[in-house]
Amino acid sequence: ETGVTQSPTHLIKTRGQQVTLRCSSQSGHNTVSWYQQALGQGPQFIFQYYREEENGRGNFPPRFSGLQFPNYSSELNVNALELDDSALYLCASSSGPGSTEAFFGQGTRLTVV
Amino acid sequence: GENVEQHPSTLSVQEGDSAVIKCTYSDSASNYFPWYKQELGKGPQLIIDIRSNVGEKKDQRIAVTLNKTAKHFSLHITETQPEDSAVYFCAAIGTGNQFYFGTGTSLTVIP
Repeated sequence: ETGVTQSPTHLIKTRGQQVTLRCSSQSGHNTVSWYQQALGQGPQFIFQYYREEENGRGNFPPRFSGLQFPNYSSELNVNALELDDSALYLCASSSGPGSTEAFFGQGTRLTVV
Repeated sequence: GENVEQHPSTLSVQEGDSAVIKCTYSDSASNYFPWYKQELGKGPQLIIDIRSNVGEKKDQRIAVTLNKTAKHFSLHITETQPEDSAVYFCAAIGTGNQFYFGTGTSLTVIP
């Protein structure tokens, strides 16, 4: 076990709705990165949070947003859900933005219908 | 940005045989190359990694080789066991410490 926990594990939403996914980082880790993994694909970087600030972003539209809290846990928010947003959403925690070792949670499976 | 390609997409081997998965990357500035194993319903788990100043690294039945000149790296699993069956992802760290993942290899070890 990595110590990174995500909730919920599964979620079904309707197109146009909004969703919030949560991640608790491993103890001692202050950096959280979020990834989207479509079926049969590798994870795609969404963004990274370090000390409550966004610290890098991949090629995702602004309707994907996030937060990091003082305890370093994090949320991923997606507005105006589209069918293509259906995927496994992974968070990974690390000991700093420059750290190369990242530990992943088990993911949240989001289905948009 | 970085582009990571991974081959093959599926691989079946007999138990006890070796398995090799290959990846190429495009950004010569990438300097860290982890390999992840992902079992059904779980997140990726780091199994081995290699940095750009090393050509080979081994951990029991798993080894990784890196050729920086050719920009490719490979995962080698020897004496495969049924529990090695999973999807394996290579990754490269590019600009901004962002992970770029390959598209995955589904490994099946046949008992």
